Amino acid sequence: GAVVSQHPSWVICKSGTSVKIECRSLDFQATTMFWYRQFPKQSLMLMATSNEGSKATYEQGVEKDKFLINHASLTLSTLTVTSAHPEDSSFYICSAQDRDRGTDTQYFGPGTRLTVL
Amino acid sequence: AQKVTQAQTEISVVEKEDVTLDCVYETRDTTYYLFWYKQPPSGELVFLIRRNSFDEQNEISGRYSWNFQKSTSSFNFTITASQVVDSAVYFCALSVNTGRRALTFGSGTRLQVQP
Repeated sequence: GAVVSQHPSWVICKSGTSVKIECRSLDFQATTMFWYRQFPKQSLMLMATSNEGSKATYEQGVEKDKFLINHASLTLSTLTVTSAHPEDSSFYICSAQDRDRGTDTQYFGPGTRLTVL
Repeated sequence: AQKVTQAQTEISVVEKEDVTLDCVYETRDTTYYLFWYKQPPSGELVFLIRRNSFDEQNEISGRYSWNFQKSTSSFNFTITASQVVDSAVYFCALSVNTGRRALTFGSGTRLQVQP
């Protein structure tokens, strides 16, 4: 149980295009999903917290107009990187909390590696 | 604000050696949760353990064991008889019982187990 999927697993795009990343909880409902970014050989940095049916909460320094987050259902959150640039190239990882378990354990997706040319 | 420190950037051991990964945390909250995650080369984060601040019992799961000491704000992780498959980056993380409950990660420790 507690499986989280992400799609796509990797994407290469041209500078200026937009990329959408999906995060799904497959066997549980998640009221809260988190988006992290990880640069090579670095730790995970929280970008935003996504709550079902409400606006996402962004961390300081993260541009909400550039990283659009939508949490339309209890099993799906999407991150759209708008007008991507090479500096946005990174490993993006989502996580979801299992509401029914009532714990703070976050289960992570496999990540999406974004390369912007 | 919360902080997690993993002072060991990289550790290299030979198979069958025991290895301990250190984690020191800082928080003013009295209720918090500590985690360890494993990140193999594939990139996916694998959940290993969750501990709440009121449970200081040490835990053992197979070759893995965890030592939680509130007095020193540490949550160390020991792998006994390490194997090549244990090679990965290990992250210690903390969440508190208020606000967004997001995870604050340490910088990670890269463990290389040589055959």
